[in-house]
Parts: sequence; C-alpha cells; structure tokens
Amino acid sequence: KAGVTQTPRYLIKTRGQQVTLSCSPISGHRSVSWYQQTPGQGLQFLFEYFSETQRNKGNFPGRFSGRQFSNSRSEMNVSTLELGDSALYLCASSLEARGSGANVLTFGAGSRLTVL
Amino acid sequence: SQELEQSPQSLIVQEGKNLTINCTSSKTLYGLYWYKQKYGEGLIFLMMLQKGGEEKSHEKITAKLDEKKQQSSLHITASQPSHAGIYLCGADDVAGGTSYGKLTFGQGTILTVHP
Repeated sequence: KAGVTQTPRYLIKTRGQQVTLSCSPISGHRSVSWYQQTPGQGLQFLFEYFSETQRNKGNFPGRFSGRQFSNSRSEMNVSTLELGDSALYLCASSLEARGSGANVLTFGAGSRLTVL
Repeated sequence: SQELEQSPQSLIVQEGKNLTINCTSSKTLYGLYWYKQKYGEGLIFLMMLQKGGEEKSHEKITAKLDEKKQQSSLHITASQPSHAGIYLCGADDVAGGTSYGKLTFGQGTILTVHP
C-alpha cells in the first residue's frame, strides 16, 4: 500500500514568486491536512480538506491556499512568497478526520521550500 | 488554544540506557499521539492514547496517558541508535467533536543515542 506522496521534495524560489505543492493521499483516505514546520514555530496546521471542501483552517494569511480534487489529491499554493515561508511543508491523510480521538494522520515525507 | 510542552528539549544517552520524554498539555487531553521524525523528513506514527490511564507498548517503546495531570510520557527501554530522532507529541483540539485534521504539536524532543 503506497504511502502519502508529496511532490516536489525540494524546491527553491525567490521572493514574490508563487509555489504549488502536491499531495497524493493513501488510497481510500479522503481527508488531507497540510502543516508547515519551521525551527522557530514548530509544526503548525494550515488547513484540511475532505471531499473537496475545506473543513478547517489554521491561522495563516490568505497567501496560503489549497484545494482538493475528486480523487482526494490535494494541492497547496503560496503566493507572493516571503523569506519566512521557507519551511518543510507536510501533508497528512486520514481515513476520516472526525473527532473522538480517532484522528491518526499519516504523513508524507514533505516538500522542503527555500525562499531566497 | 491548547499548548503542548515537551521535556526535555534534547536528550543524549548511551546505547542501552532507558529514557523518558514527557508531554504536558495546557488543557484536557482528549487524544494524544506520539510521532517520530528523522530530520527533514515526514512524521512516523508511533502510538495513540485516548483514555486516562491508558498505556500502550510497541517493541521497546511504551507510552502512557495521565489524564489528571494532562500529561503523557514516552519511555524507551534499552535504547538503540535506531531510536535516534525527533519525538513529537500531538493532541486533538476538541473532545468527541471534530478535529478535522488539526493536531496541536509540542516542539519536539531531539534524541541522540551514542553507540
């Protein structure tokens, strides 16, 4: 069973550019979440999608957006890149990200974004 | 909002030694997850704890949840170099409701195991 696949693994952009990151969840998983990881802030939740609908959103500016396709694959986009956007972006999928503690997220290897 | 504090922030041990990592929450813990991360890579799920007093083990790793103390501990017995990495605890934000993919994570504990 293939895991969560993120592409690209590494990318370098310059300030002001935009970037799109892709995530393919585990087959059968319908929920996809995105996280940003930096040395200073740690792991921070960006947003979650289920059945092509954003159900939850973290505290990030509108430059960060995402979407989910009918096959559950998801993309996130960051526009007008800033130096502070340099981070490891992690995607995670789960069968059904509903409460009661049964929210086991399976993470991908991440996309390392460097903004120059 | 919920905050998780992990201690220690880093840990260096000799192979074969036992160690414990703690995760303390500012609010009631409804679901607590332990993950391991190799630097620059994704998170690997270790264990999930849901009920106070719950204890789970996998190979040489044991995790416990103390609901009253709003704390979880991860214990590694007879550590090996393969245990090295960053250990992160994550918690559900809400009880019995809908976390919708959002976990609050601690800042991580960096474990180094010297052969």
